[in-house]
Amino acid sequence: AQSVTQLGSHVSVSEGALVLLRCNYSSSVPPYLFWYVQYPNQGLQLLLKYTSAATLVKGINGFEAEFKKSETSFHLTKPSAHMSDAAEYFCAVSDRLAGTALIFGKGTTLSVSS
Amino acid sequence: EAGVAQSPRYKIIEKRQSVAFWCNPISGHATLYWYQQILGQGPKLLIQFQNNGVVDDSQLPKDRFSAERLKGVDSTLKIQPAKLEDSAVYLCASSLDRTLSYEQYFGPGTRLTVT
Repeated sequence: AQSVTQLGSHVSVSEGALVLLRCNYSSSVPPYLFWYVQYPNQGLQLLLKYTSAATLVKGINGFEAEFKKSETSFHLTKPSAHMSDAAEYFCAVSDRLAGTALIFGKGTTLSVSS
Repeated sequence: EAGVAQSPRYKIIEKRQSVAFWCNPISGHATLYWYQQILGQGPKLLIQFQNNGVVDDSQLPKDRFSAERLKGVDSTLKIQPAKLEDSAVYLCASSLDRTLSYEQYFGPGTRLTVT
């Protein structure tokens, strides 16, 4: 069965600092991988997704993630945090062969201080 | 292109009452998903439809939850009777087809509070 583990339920950074949110997955087949962002009282917004051979994926708002099969990881990074990045971030996985729904991690709350 | 529509946006009910949520997916999307997001957790799939057929309802508490998508377009999720632990945000999503699950579009959600 597929699963996703997000390491760290809460990450705090200073404005301008590197953002690193960790995600590890478990899957017996090559998965689709996703990062979503959720602002307070809003729905889920797709940041980026991994669906093909390109292991470095660039998303919106300056975020990117690298798929590392050997480490079963899909960590989300942003070189310089902005106050507006403060939100809840979810990593998710989907079985590309079975066409299953998304399986989400528990989320990481990102706080950005000035 | 209109997004996924959900209503109501907020609902407060007492335990043991019933409640229904409505979702209208993006036009032409064959696959519809209902997720439950409890505070502090990631969304969890309740049920997945392909047109008007159920693909996966393994995590739907069938003793109290029901869902339908009779004409293969909009969908209704019902809870009867509600329990305190049903307080959550209910998210609807759609994709063109189940083989395109990586292109899911989410609605704004319905926030349910059970008192």
